[in-house]
Amino acid sequence: QQQVKQSPQSLIVQKGGISIINCAYENTAFDYFPWYQQFPGKGPALLIAIRPDVSEKKEGRFTISFNKSAKQFSLHIMDSQPGDSATYFCAASISGNTPLVFGKGTRLSVIA
Amino acid sequence: DAEITQSPRHKITETGRQVTLACHQTWNHNNMFWYRQDLGHGLRLIHYSYGVHDTNKGEVSDGYSVSRSNTEDLPLTLESAASSQTSVYFCASSDFQGGELFFGEGSRLTVL
Repeated sequence: QQQVKQSPQSLIVQKGGISIINCAYENTAFDYFPWYQQFPGKGPALLIAIRPDVSEKKEGRFTISFNKSAKQFSLHIMDSQPGDSATYFCAASISGNTPLVFGKGTRLSVIA
Repeated sequence: DAEITQSPRHKITETGRQVTLACHQTWNHNNMFWYRQDLGHGLRLIHYSYGVHDTNKGEVSDGYSVSRSNTEDLPLTLESAASSQTSVYFCASSDFQGGELFFGEGSRLTVL
């Protein structure tokens, strides 16, 4: 049973374009939804996170949109740059209770 | 600076051998985790610990064991390595349950 479903598996975006990655979850008790960024040969690192009391969170060019009723959240990367090329993972957990469960990842390539 | 280190970074072993991957963190975090990363499967939780002498099974714990004798270390042992355990293994820690994870740089294990 996959608790967090992520799509697409891979994504190619032109430089300056918008990258959008989607995730859906099943457990309504989840209350913490982070996105991790991983460069080749490195461990994942936290990029941005949201809690269900807000519908959107923005940090620079990165925005999380959260739809509690649909049990979906997404990552938007505005003005995508070649340096954004990486694998992105969504995740979810119950704060103070369960470990993070991850989606299967999206490999983003930003081409000039 | 606090950090989390994994060793070895690369290892090749034979089927049936015992292998131990080390993880050491200087964050003084109570919570430590082991994930494996495989193409098409994302990050899957193997074992985790919420403190000294505490260990818990994750999604894919069969064939793996951990022990937590101090705050800083959570070694992962493969009792009898199998080819299906060829993977990249990531150790992570966090300061509260279900919160941000700080990952090591990974250990690539090949079982021949």
